[in-house]
Amino acid sequence: AQKVTQAQTEISVVEKEDVTLDCVYETRDTTYYLFWYKQPPSGELVFLIRRNSFDEQNEISGRYSWNFQKSTSSFNFTITASQVVDSAVYFCALSEAGTGANNLFFGTGTRLTVIP
Amino acid sequence: DTGVSQDPRHKITKRGQNVTFRCDPISEHNRLYWYRQTLGQGPEFLTYFQNEAQLEKSRLLSDRFSAERPKGSFSTLEIQRTEQGDSAMYLCASSSETVGAGRETQYFGPGTRLLVL
Repeated sequence: AQKVTQAQTEISVVEKEDVTLDCVYETRDTTYYLFWYKQPPSGELVFLIRRNSFDEQNEISGRYSWNFQKSTSSFNFTITASQVVDSAVYFCALSEAGTGANNLFFGTGTRLTVIP
Repeated sequence: DTGVSQDPRHKITKRGQNVTFRCDPISEHNRLYWYRQTLGQGPEFLTYFQNEAQLEKSRLLSDRFSAERPKGSFSTLEIQRTEQGDSAMYLCASSSETVGAGRETQYFGPGTRLLVL
């Protein structure tokens, strides 16, 4: 069965600190997709990144970077030089290709608070 | 570029009443999803449409819930005889199927927050 675990419920950092949000997933499929979404206080889920299981290259986008490691079933998200606008709940999600199901399985989220 | 829109943004109702929510997907997207999110949890999948066909339904979607997408454009989600346990944020997402591109990205709307008194 599929599962996404975000063990960190809440994290607080001081502005300009780096922070890493952890995501561990479980799946029996060999082909799957991993996502990160940001949910600010307004409530709308904002797409950040999609990764497929065959692409283990790490990715960097501005202050954001993602570390995908199949050996540990992890897809961690790092924010460098955090800013107050980064305060939000961040969700990691999994989609399996083999089952034919098109839905996303979400973790319970990590609430990040960046203190000015 | 117009994103996914949902209406209403907030709804307060009394237990036992029926409510209906609307979702307008991104215009060129043929796939539409409904999710439910309760406080402190991640979104949970409810149902999925490809064009006007409802292809998947979660066991979370009880008989009191019904969703439609009559013309393959906007969708409605109706909850009959609401219960206090239905209080949640109802999120709609859409995506565009691209053959050979694998699992596409779902883009979410702002959600409808339902409170059942």
